[in-house]
Amino acid sequence: EIVMTQSPATLSVSPGERAILSCRASQSVSNDLAWYQQKPGQAPRLLIYGASTRATGIPARFSGSGSGTEFTLTISSLQSEDFAVYYCQQYNNWPPRRTFGQGTKVEIK
Amino acid sequence: QVQLVESGGGLVKPGGSLRLSCAASGFTFNDYYMGWIRQAPGKGLEWISSITFSGSTIYYADSVKGRFTISTDNAKNSLYLQMNSLRADDTAVYYCARAIKTYYFDSWGQGALVTVSS
Repeated sequence: EIVMTQSPATLSVSPGERAILSCRASQSVSNDLAWYQQKPGQAPRLLIYGASTRATGIPARFSGSGSGTEFTLTISSLQSEDFAVYYCQQYNNWPPRRTFGQGTKVEIK
Repeated sequence: QVQLVESGGGLVKPGGSLRLSCAASGFTFNDYYMGWIRQAPGKGLEWISSITFSGSTIYYADSVKGRFTISTDNAKNSLYLQMNSLRADDTAVYYCARAIKTYYFDSWGQGALVTVSS
């Protein structure tokens, strides 16, 4: 199983500041990496796939980078609606047993 | 637009069974895989199963293999999860999601809460 590890567990950021979230894979997943946002009481929402491609309707302040085992999600200027939990997910292995990171909570500083 | 609506959640005793349903609309079903992902209270996301909408190809996580069965009904545009031999650690919100091939999940339902407790 590919283990996904996210850091930090919690990130305290002021509105308007930049947030950088990290995700590490236990083995290379190439660029087969997605990011999701989840707000309390809501289902996750796809933000990024292919490590760096924004999903439909996702604002440009969200960007993804990385390949292999190290990935980053950057939120360039945090808006009030961006405070949420963010998960990474790999989709590289076969058979396709998909795994998620444990999440990073972005909270208001 | 894409809509996924789960139903069938509830309280069940350990060892019991429950069947979740997911009604899908707004897209061409045969073009996609579908999946179930769960989230235990206060915890992260866990993928548990994926299936082609035709039902021809199925994958399970080891944690549910042999106990859970995923299936589809194309005539009803629906996805199902039959859960048997339920345990306390199966307690979670279960999400139905549309998958791009077997890769990532681009649309999610609102979730169905399953509580396993005596």
